Amino acid sequence: SQTIHQWPATLVQPVGSPLSLECTVEGTSNPNLYWYRQAAGRGLQLLFYSVGIGQISSEVPQNLSASRPQDRQFILSSKKLLLSDSGFYLCAWSAPGRGTDTQYFGPGTRLTVL
Amino acid sequence: GNSVTQMEGPVTLSEEAFLTINCTYTATGYPSLFWYVQYPGEGLQLLLKATKADDKGSNKGFEATYRKETTSFHLEKGSVQVSDSAVYFCALSDRAAGNNRKLIWGLGTSLAVNP
Repeated sequence: SQTIHQWPATLVQPVGSPLSLECTVEGTSNPNLYWYRQAAGRGLQLLFYSVGIGQISSEVPQNLSASRPQDRQFILSSKKLLLSDSGFYLCAWSAPGRGTDTQYFGPGTRLTVL
Repeated sequence: GNSVTQMEGPVTLSEEAFLTINCTYTATGYPSLFWYVQYPGEGLQLLLKATKADDKGSNKGFEATYRKETTSFHLEKGSVQVSDSAVYFCALSDRAAGNNRKLIWGLGTSLAVNP
């Protein structure tokens, strides 16, 4: 069966510090991978998605970047965090191909920027 | 473009009450429709889905029917429990990058069930 991991689970960082959040998927090959942000009391905002190694699509211009160095690894980064980067970050995967649009989510990372 | 509209919350019910959370959509083609649930402090879990008109998705006592004529996918449960307290998200599939798909999300509806 497939599993998705995210770490760390929680993170408190000062403004201006760098960020690296990691997501890994097990039990599947060539998944589509997604990074979402959820601000407190708000809906989901898609940040990035990837259909393969080194292939990243950005949904909104912002202070963040994403990379996919391996097939089942997806990293969210920032060089300098802003207060507005605080939120709950969710990674998700879906299987490639037609009719496989169901997304499966990791447990999330709670980021607080002070 | 494609969009999803959910009823605003929060919704507060007593245990064993009937639940309806409305979801309507705008889409071209024939998207799949989803309900996800998010328990406090956790990621989202797929609750149910429907892939074509008149399909009924069901899971854990929840049901939703894909109504193309009214462009709706309302979530229902006959008797809610305290453990159903969560945020519920409606979503539809949106084609992107060839056959790989993004989901278009509603804003979520918070449900609180009191004993």
